[in-house]
Amino acid sequence: GAVVSQHPSWVICKSGTSVKIECRSLDFQATTMFWYRQFPKQSLMLMATSNEGSKATYEQGVEKDKFLINHASLTLSTLTVTSAHPEDSSFYICSAGQGSGNTIYFGEGSWLTVV
Amino acid sequence: QKEVEQNSGPLSVPEGAIASLNCTYSDRGSQSFFWYRQYSGKSPELIMFIYSNGDKEDGRFTAQLNKASQYVSLLIRDSQPSDSATYLCAASSSGGSNYKLTFGKGTLLTVNP
Repeated sequence: GAVVSQHPSWVICKSGTSVKIECRSLDFQATTMFWYRQFPKQSLMLMATSNEGSKATYEQGVEKDKFLINHASLTLSTLTVTSAHPEDSSFYICSAGQGSGNTIYFGEGSWLTVV
Repeated sequence: QKEVEQNSGPLSVPEGAIASLNCTYSDRGSQSFFWYRQYSGKSPELIMFIYSNGDKEDGRFTAQLNKASQYVSLLIRDSQPSDSATYLCAASSSGGSNYKLTFGKGTLLTVNP
């Protein structure tokens, strides 16, 4: 079964509103989680590294005030898309690693549609 | 800038043939390399990873790594229609967390019955 779970699987929101996506590690503790975004027919682009108990590290070009990341516990990271716009519509995927560094689990992904 | 390059394809092979997928990376500090399969609308699924030069086999899949050439490949033997998907090559980050991956754009593979 899944060891990293995302919720919701899909969400539709109105332009200007905020939406929160959760990423949970189910059987292990993850001090670091990663958030990716994937537009149709494109690859996964890393948005940010979520660090438990501290601020997230954002990749170049990603607005930290728009994509709020909170990693309040060792098993939960949340991504909040604030003031969403249609161009934010995308597939958002989280990942977490365990052990040696070669065991990386991906969540099921969350489809966001902003109308 | 750390990059992972793949031929976007599409790559089309007949059922039962060998599919060969290629990938190059720019960051010499990358330690581990991953091949993921992604079906449309779904999250990536890990096929295998490799971190030592040479070949690594797992069932119908063989990954090859050549660090001197900064080249990674994936061979799929006895290709099946169910193998039709986008294959993503990824490299782990040098420095910082090993779980941080840089992905290529993916190669679309179609296996024809």
